[in-house]
Amino acid sequence: EAQVTQNPRYLITVTGKKLTVTCSQNMNHEYMSWYRQDPGLGLRQIYYSMNVEVTDKGDVPEGYKVSRKEKRNFPLILESPSPNQTSLYFCASSPSTGYNSPLHFGNGTRLTVT
Amino acid sequence: GDSVTQMEGPVTLSEEAFLTINCTYTATGYPSLFWYVQYPGEGLQLLLKATKADDKGSNKGFEATYRKETTSFHLEKGSVQVSDSAVYFCALSPDRGSTLGRLYFGRGTQLTVWP
Repeated sequence: EAQVTQNPRYLITVTGKKLTVTCSQNMNHEYMSWYRQDPGLGLRQIYYSMNVEVTDKGDVPEGYKVSRKEKRNFPLILESPSPNQTSLYFCASSPSTGYNSPLHFGNGTRLTVT
Repeated sequence: GDSVTQMEGPVTLSEEAFLTINCTYTATGYPSLFWYVQYPGEGLQLLLKATKADDKGSNKGFEATYRKETTSFHLEKGSVQVSDSAVYFCALSPDRGSTLGRLYFGRGTQLTVWP
């Protein structure tokens, strides 16, 4: 089944403890992106990647890192999480980097930082 | 800069009522416009899209027309069902001359339909 898989679905951690949220797609998509969803703010883009080894900042990249060593994987790394990073995170991919290419989303990771 | 503004929710309707969710945008050039839907506990799914002025996107009884003169992309459905209860997001991809990179979403509108 074609899908975008995020893990874990739920994560509770403490301030400063490094964590990684994994994202994998099995559709050979070129484009991948991370978003955070917060009440009243909608979705905001954190980072995106147009292809392997090509990443760029979105609207809210501070406190996050990403890597794209393989086409299928696009992990989101929080080196030193803080409570303001408590949010619902979505990974998405797209078949191409064309301007009208639709996004395919994972089911989300709910992160709580205490 | 590029941005999307959606009507505030929540929207509560009875089954078979008419739905409009307003979306306006700010962009330079010729953006593509999208509506995504998020059902409870799931990620977003593409509902419909339009890539140039006067295009009408449609899917599952939903429609939206790309109006450049009013910079709008309002979502409509003639008769909603309980199963349409979800959060709806308007989104913009900047100028069609560029590649997909940045994608801008509205804040989302919660729709609840009662039987």
